[in-house]
Amino acid sequence: SFELTQDPAVSVALGQTVRITCQGDSLRRYYATWYQQKPGQAPVVVIYGKNNRPSGIPDRFSGSSSGNTASLTITGTQAEDEADYYCNSRDSSGNHLVFGGGTKLTVL
Amino acid sequence: EVQLVESGGGLVRPGGSLRLSCAASGFTFSSYTMTWVRQAPGKGLEWVSSISGGSSYIYYADSLKARFTISRDNAKNSLYLQMNSLRAEDTAVYYCARDLAHSSGWHMADYWGQGTLVTVSS
Repeated sequence: SFELTQDPAVSVALGQTVRITCQGDSLRRYYATWYQQKPGQAPVVVIYGKNNRPSGIPDRFSGSSSGNTASLTITGTQAEDEADYYCNSRDSSGNHLVFGGGTKLTVL
Repeated sequence: EVQLVESGGGLVRPGGSLRLSCAASGFTFSSYTMTWVRQAPGKGLEWVSSISGGSSYIYYADSLKARFTISRDNAKNSLYLQMNSLRAEDTAVYYCARDLAHSSGWHMADYWGQGTLVTVSS
């Protein structure tokens, strides 16, 4: 089965840079999309495609990819960035979607 | 303004059925693939199913294909998820989302509803 693997938890000091990664074979072919989810809220896209931010997402969020690994980087992390982050992509057929297990980001 | 509003969740006994609805507004509903995503309490996101704008293409998570059926009524701007033979592990918040994909290879669910809670318990 197709899987996307994320570290369960990551912490970062306020104002510092953090990288959240997502690994999966299909990422060699398809871009990852990154979602931010805060407690009690629906997910919100923060990065899609090669490195695109939807309107309203701060430019401290950026994305990159190399081989089978996609990364979400937050530069100058703010307290409000504390949330769960999920990567999402397609499987090898291109028809099924898969989410990573999520990374809980704690801002210290 | 794009809005997605789910309804139909609630408490159901194991083995029972439930039909979720998602009312869409603020965009040309028939032009978009729509998706259901669920999230069990305290757990991560799980893709459930997607349906293309004209219902020509329908996809399901392998583990759910036999019990869940996605459909849509473009005249009513509505998306549905029929869930049968429900199990305790189907307990989750179910979100509907609008799908956006590009030929360059990216895809995203750009708008989400607030979710509807389905609880399967005796």
